[in-house]
Amino acid sequence: EPEVTQTPSHQVTQMGQEVILRCVPISNHLYFYWYRQILGQKVEFLVSFYNNEISEKSEIFDDQFSVERPDGSNFTLKIRSTKLEDSAMYFCASSSGVGGTQYFGPGTRLLVL
Amino acid sequence: DQQVKQNSPSLSVQEGRISILNCDYTNSMFDYFLWYKKYPAEGPTFLISISSIKDKNEDGRFTVFLNKSAKHLSLHIVPSQPGDSAVYFCAATEEFSDSWGKLQFGAGTQVVVTP
Repeated sequence: EPEVTQTPSHQVTQMGQEVILRCVPISNHLYFYWYRQILGQKVEFLVSFYNNEISEKSEIFDDQFSVERPDGSNFTLKIRSTKLEDSAMYFCASSSGVGGTQYFGPGTRLLVL
Repeated sequence: DQQVKQNSPSLSVQEGRISILNCDYTNSMFDYFLWYKKYPAEGPTFLISISSIKDKNEDGRFTVFLNKSAKHLSLHIVPSQPGDSAVYFCAATEEFSDSWGKLQFGAGTQVVVTP
């Protein structure tokens, strides 16, 4: 069964450093998303992406964040200058249609020290 | 911004019995609802969904009921199995709006199925 994959599974970084989280969505999906879950809190929407453009972003997704589909298979989330409060699980998701069911990857646990 | 609420943080149920998980929402524009299951250190796994044009959807042991007037949905798992022990998230979206991709999640309900 096709699935969303994410790398790395864990990342530890120093405050102020840049991190890139990588995702390979399900191959025939066209809509891509990033969410995060801070420990003990809800899963929160960050951004949706379609046709090489951001469709919607939350207020969390400020200028420090960017997304890219550098090739036909990868979808990345970059945090330019990490803050302590960026420590969270980051989940990538994809769907085949607009508003359709989103399938999630296993997540990347980011720890900012 | 508590648009989706799961008021029961935990639920314990005996193996073989029915598990009933509840979810309430406040945004009347939500028109597509999903349930996800999550094990520790894994991503949410899609279980079942329902569109606002229906009031029930069934898939094997899982049935979701939607009461639009009460802005309430529930997930029934029958019969409950030990492998069902996980956190269950309710999520909702406005499928036909500019926010089509933005899932709003509840806080989750931890289900423990006991032998």
